[in-house]
Amino acid sequence: DAEITQSPRHKITETGRQVTLACHQTWNHNNMFWYRQDLGHGLRLIHYSYGVQDTNKGEVSDGYSVSRSNTEDLPLTLESAASSQTSVYFCASSAGTEHTDTQYFGPGTRLTVL
Amino acid sequence: QKEVEQNSGPLSVPEGAIASLNCTYSDRGSQSFFWYRQYSGKSPELIMFIYSNGDKEDGRFTAQLNKASQYVSLLIRDSQPSDSATYLCAVPSRGYQKVTFGTGTKLQVIP
Repeated sequence: DAEITQSPRHKITETGRQVTLACHQTWNHNNMFWYRQDLGHGLRLIHYSYGVQDTNKGEVSDGYSVSRSNTEDLPLTLESAASSQTSVYFCASSAGTEHTDTQYFGPGTRLTVL
Repeated sequence: QKEVEQNSGPLSVPEGAIASLNCTYSDRGSQSFFWYRQYSGKSPELIMFIYSNGDKEDGRFTAQLNKASQYVSLLIRDSQPSDSATYLCAVPSRGYQKVTFGTGTKLQVIP
């Protein structure tokens, strides 16, 4: 069965370190998205990609970067982790054929920055 | 005004009652709407999609869309404790394949 996976599921790091969160989907979807979820803010879009070599900034992109070298993967990098980036991170993907396509979410990564 | 607004709750209803969850949106041109359910500690999952004015029913769930008043609602009939979750309203951005999520309404169904 097709799925979307994230790793690690939990991560503790220190301020200033570079951290990369992995996202891998086997749906063969064109679109991939990274969100963070915090109490009181809901899901906020960090970066998204409509295909290989395409990346776009979302509403909370400062301090984060992504690259899309193949269809299956969209890793999220925190260049220099800050305590404000402690959050739950969700990766999602959608087919990319219609703006009404369903987004399928990964299980999430809980990141703590000390 | 936020693009998508929901009351954060919690909304408490007794088992067997109808739960009514509401969402308002700011872009009058929005054409379609999603409802996602998110259990505590889990990822969101799609439960309903609606793009036409009126009602759309799927089992115990009914989505209602009123474009003139710019709100979309989700009714859950015969609420069960297993329906206790946070319900997220989401609106696709016009011309783009990304969506904006509301902050969600937490539903508690009391046995």
